[in-house]
Amino acid sequence: SQKIEQNSEALNIQEGKTATLTCNYTNYSPAYLQWYRQDPGRGPVFLLLIRENEKEKRKERLKVTFDTTLKQSLFHITASQPADSATYLCALDMYTNSGYALNFGKGTSLLVTP
Amino acid sequence: EAQVTQNPRYLITVTGKKLTVTCSQNMNHEYMSWYRQDPGLGLRQIYYSMNVEVTDKGDVPEGYKVSRKEKRNFPLILESPSPNQTSLYFCASSLAGVTHEQFFGPGTRLTVL
Repeated sequence: SQKIEQNSEALNIQEGKTATLTCNYTNYSPAYLQWYRQDPGRGPVFLLLIRENEKEKRKERLKVTFDTTLKQSLFHITASQPADSATYLCALDMYTNSGYALNFGKGTSLLVTP
Repeated sequence: EAQVTQNPRYLITVTGKKLTVTCSQNMNHEYMSWYRQDPGLGLRQIYYSMNVEVTDKGDVPEGYKVSRKEKRNFPLILESPSPNQTSLYFCASSLAGVTHEQFFGPGTRLTVL
């Protein structure tokens, strides 16, 4: 069955360091991969989208890589700040009989301490 | 302001009492979907809609109904709620499906006693 795996353990890092979060998938062939940020009790907020033919994408302090051979995406936050503390979700498109659905990983909690 | 709205934001109800959670978007998006989020299980898709009058089941559709009569609205209906439907529900929309960013609503916290 199709599976999306993100680090289940929380990631604790010090302010100023680079945070790296991992998203691995099996039995998928996604054309797109997305990353979202979610704060407690709030809806996810879109961060970045990367296509299967793109190796890397950047937006300000954020960088996403997409390796379709390894079936893995890495999400980097450089110069991390306490305000970056949140849960980060990856999402993959999946083709169904009537179109495309979007499946989310369970997320990785990031805590940035001063 | 471009947004997805959900109502109610909080609801406590009893088993078997039909309820509807409304979802509306003002961005003229074609794609809308419903998710539920539970501790340890993450976000799971309930239903989605590619356009008006086009809906399909997600991963966990049992016990739910949806309709898409207008482009902007996508209500979630629980005909006979049960305690296992206690959850945090999110509606989302996007311009044209999963190849575009999803805009999420603020969530509806539902408790079924």
